[in-house]
Amino acid sequence: DADVTQTPRNRITKTGKRIMLECSQTKGHDRMYWYRQDPGLGLRLIYYSFDVKDINKGEISDGYSVSRQAQAKFSLSLESAIPNQTALYFCATSEINPGLAGGTGELFFGEGSRLTVL
Amino acid sequence: AQTVTQSQPEMSVQEAETVTLSCTYDTSESDYYLFWYKQPPSRQMILVIRQEAYKQQNATENRFSVNFQKAAKSFSLKISDSQLGDAAMYFCAYRTAGAGSYQLTFGKGTKLSVIP
Repeated sequence: DADVTQTPRNRITKTGKRIMLECSQTKGHDRMYWYRQDPGLGLRLIYYSFDVKDINKGEISDGYSVSRQAQAKFSLSLESAIPNQTALYFCATSEINPGLAGGTGELFFGEGSRLTVL
Repeated sequence: AQTVTQSQPEMSVQEAETVTLSCTYDTSESDYYLFWYKQPPSRQMILVIRQEAYKQQNATENRFSVNFQKAAKSFSLKISDSQLGDAAMYFCAYRTAGAGSYQLTFGKGTKLSVIP
């Protein structure tokens, strides 16, 4: 089983619908992230969370919200989806402190959720 | 803010040949990490190689190696003996070191095609 699991893998929805993308991890990491990937733009950070009580906006948080239900679960919601939110969404995790215990701060990614908003 | 630039949107290489993907970054930090991630058609993001800025020795992982030039802020990826399975998008990424750091900044990617 994957260490970082995203559901759904693919979703087609209509403008105005509420969508939730879910992420769960078994790596035991405290830090979790949601990234968005668009062709020609690379990956951009939407939200990140250092622990259950610590949630922060990334560079492109408008139109999105998140919930950290537990250390292992981090969901992303689109309250009213619009076509320009059509993208590939990645959940990722990392170690709490990349400077300790030989950690490098690399991200461990889920398999991505492709969202299409019509 | 840190930026990562991959100047080659697409590249191609003959099978068994060597190819180098370019990456430059802009930072005022002295301690940081650099990464190359591979994204095959399956879309999974896979870490290829990492480099700690304080290490002068270039990282190597089997057929993958980097040329890390700290003064020039350059971090290129060399793939030797290219295989069909190397065809993918490759992303260069940067991360500041330290407990407070949280974000990987990605380049826009280079699409690598491998010609049989």
